[in-house]
Amino acid sequence: NAGVTQTPKFQVLKTGQSMTLQCAQDMNHNSMYWYRQDPGMGLRLIYYSASEGTTDKGEVPNGYNVSRLNKREFSLRLESAAPSQTSVYFCASSEVVTVTATNEKLFFGSGTQLSVL
Amino acid sequence: TQLLEQSPQFLSIQEGENLTVYCNSSSVFSSLQWYRQEPGEGPVLLVTVVTGGEVKKLKRLTFQFGDARKDSSLHITAAQPGDTGLYLCAGGPGGNNRLAFGKGNQVVVIP
Repeated sequence: NAGVTQTPKFQVLKTGQSMTLQCAQDMNHNSMYWYRQDPGMGLRLIYYSASEGTTDKGEVPNGYNVSRLNKREFSLRLESAAPSQTSVYFCASSEVVTVTATNEKLFFGSGTQLSVL
Repeated sequence: TQLLEQSPQFLSIQEGENLTVYCNSSSVFSSLQWYRQEPGEGPVLLVTVVTGGEVKKLKRLTFQFGDARKDSSLHITAAQPGDTGLYLCAGGPGGNNRLAFGKGNQVVVIP
């Protein structure tokens, strides 16, 4: 059972380059998320998709775009990478999104370590 | 934005000792979750607490939700090296009505 799969595992970019982080889940979950994790900052939500066909901004969306390609796949794109986007990126999924977030049990991928030089 | 403060940030103990880490906020949460993250991996959900005063046990781990639903604690009895990891608490709803994460408690258990 693969769960949430992220590619690539590691990536080095130069400032201004673009790239897309891929994420796929095989748990038939409706909701998917992209987080970044930085030392001393914890996990911060970039974008999420409550269901196929919808996307919403999270806490730190600037400089990123997302695409919910289908129910399984949710990609994160950096159009013009900046050093401030150096981070570890995590994709996650959950069965549902609720108003109170009470039932949002998140399943995370193993992350993408991105360095922007 | 609701803020979750976790303390201590870092804790190193010997195998067999007990430890407690804390997750505190000035805001009330509908629920609170604890995740454990190992190096190079994503967080893994351990438990969700919903009711004020609730206590849940997972083998040697005991989780408690404060009566006022503003804080939580995680107690590990007779810690093992396999308990080493970053423990994250997450409360809902936070900003954007999604889960808000604390910065984590880094626990190192020395054999």
